[in-house]
Amino acid sequence: AQSVTQLGSHVSVSEGALVLLRCNYSSSVPPYLFWYVQYPNQGLQLLLKYTSAATLVKGINGFEAEFKKSETSFHLTKPSAHMSDAAEYFCAVTTNSGYSTLTFGKGTMLLVSP
Amino acid sequence: GAVVSQHPSRVICKSGTSVKIECRSLDFQATTMFWYRQFPKQSLMLMATSNEGSKATYEQGVEKDKFLINHASLTLSTLTVTSAHPEDSSFYICSAGKGLAGGNEQFFGPGTRLTVL
Repeated sequence: AQSVTQLGSHVSVSEGALVLLRCNYSSSVPPYLFWYVQYPNQGLQLLLKYTSAATLVKGINGFEAEFKKSETSFHLTKPSAHMSDAAEYFCAVTTNSGYSTLTFGKGTMLLVSP
Repeated sequence: GAVVSQHPSRVICKSGTSVKIECRSLDFQATTMFWYRQFPKQSLMLMATSNEGSKATYEQGVEKDKFLINHASLTLSTLTVTSAHPEDSSFYICSAGKGLAGGNEQFFGPGTRLTVL
């Protein structure tokens, strides 16, 4: 079984400030981890993914995440927020054993103020 | 590469009618496609997993006779909401996967907003 917990349903930052969105996972086997972004009335766009290679993963739009096995975490960061980063962010986990389903966290809405 | 389309993007129908939503992988073959439902301000809930040429696997609590899934080819899966009612109004999102060779990544369609009057 696997699960994802995203701490904070809403995170507010000022433009130019550090963005930190938290994700903790639970998995009985080595996980694959993903961060997706969703803009209103749109599907999900992949930001980055961890698939057991480098623990620090760089994604699109300046985002990155670090896989920490000891903390079972995969937090998403960006050094400087832009207004265009305002959206809903989902962390998701699957396993590396064949074709297994994605389990999503509840999502975190990122609000960026000028 | 790895583009997934959905059609229609929005549909409004009367209660009791059926609605078909198409999900296509445009530039790759997807042996497995997934159907999700998303309520306002909530996460995605997996409804079913569909494999080309076989019956879909439905998640617990999802009525397979109400949500008919057909995965007739490696690039097309359809979801038909039969005898739709207002409580079926939701945002339906499909995804298509490249399997383990593709890192188990799923590529998502843009979603279909269904409103049942």
